[in-house]
Amino acid sequence: AQSVTQLGSHVSVSEGALVLLRCNYSSSVPPYLFWYVQYPNQGLQLLLKYTSAATLVKGINGFEAEFKKSETSFHLTKPSAHMSDAAEYFCAVSGAGGYNKLIFGAGTRLAVHP
Amino acid sequence: NAGVMQNPRHLVRRRGQEARLRCSPMKGHSHVYWYRQLPEEGLKFMVYLQKENIIDESGMPKERFSAEFPKEGPSILRIQQVVRGDSAAYFCASSPEDSYNSPLHFGNGTRLTVT
Repeated sequence: AQSVTQLGSHVSVSEGALVLLRCNYSSSVPPYLFWYVQYPNQGLQLLLKYTSAATLVKGINGFEAEFKKSETSFHLTKPSAHMSDAAEYFCAVSGAGGYNKLIFGAGTRLAVHP
Repeated sequence: NAGVMQNPRHLVRRRGQEARLRCSPMKGHSHVYWYRQLPEEGLKFMVYLQKENIIDESGMPKERFSAEFPKEGPSILRIQQVVRGDSAAYFCASSPEDSYNSPLHFGNGTRLTVT
């Protein structure tokens, strides 16, 4: 069975600081992994996805994530936080029975302060 | 190209009433997924439909919930005899196919409040 654990429900960083959002997964098959961002009162927007090609995946808005099989991790990073990055971030893995049947983590709310 | 359209954005129902949530997928998308987001939680898969077919409803509660995606018109998620625990944000997503090359496009959700 697939599952996702996001460590830290709230993360706060200063503007310009490194952003690191942690995600660990469990999967009985080679996983497809995703990071989504949700702004208040909006739907989810895809940031990036891992589909077994390069282990370092670059996404939109300067975010990237590295797939580490040995650590079963897929942490999201951005070198320099911007105020507009404040949002909730969800890590997800494809569930059994369909690529788009996603199993989501509980989310990490990112706050960026001046 | 319009995105996934959900309506209404906000829906208030009294306990025991019915709630109907509508979703129009992106143009050219024939695969529709419904997810539910409870407060302070991530999204949970409910149901996956293609035109006129329910493909996977393993995440749907056994009673009171139903979904359809007719040949013409939007997909409908229907909740009968709503209870307070049904209060949540319901998101629809669509894709042109069920493939890792076709990630989901989400609507802005319908926020259901049961009073």
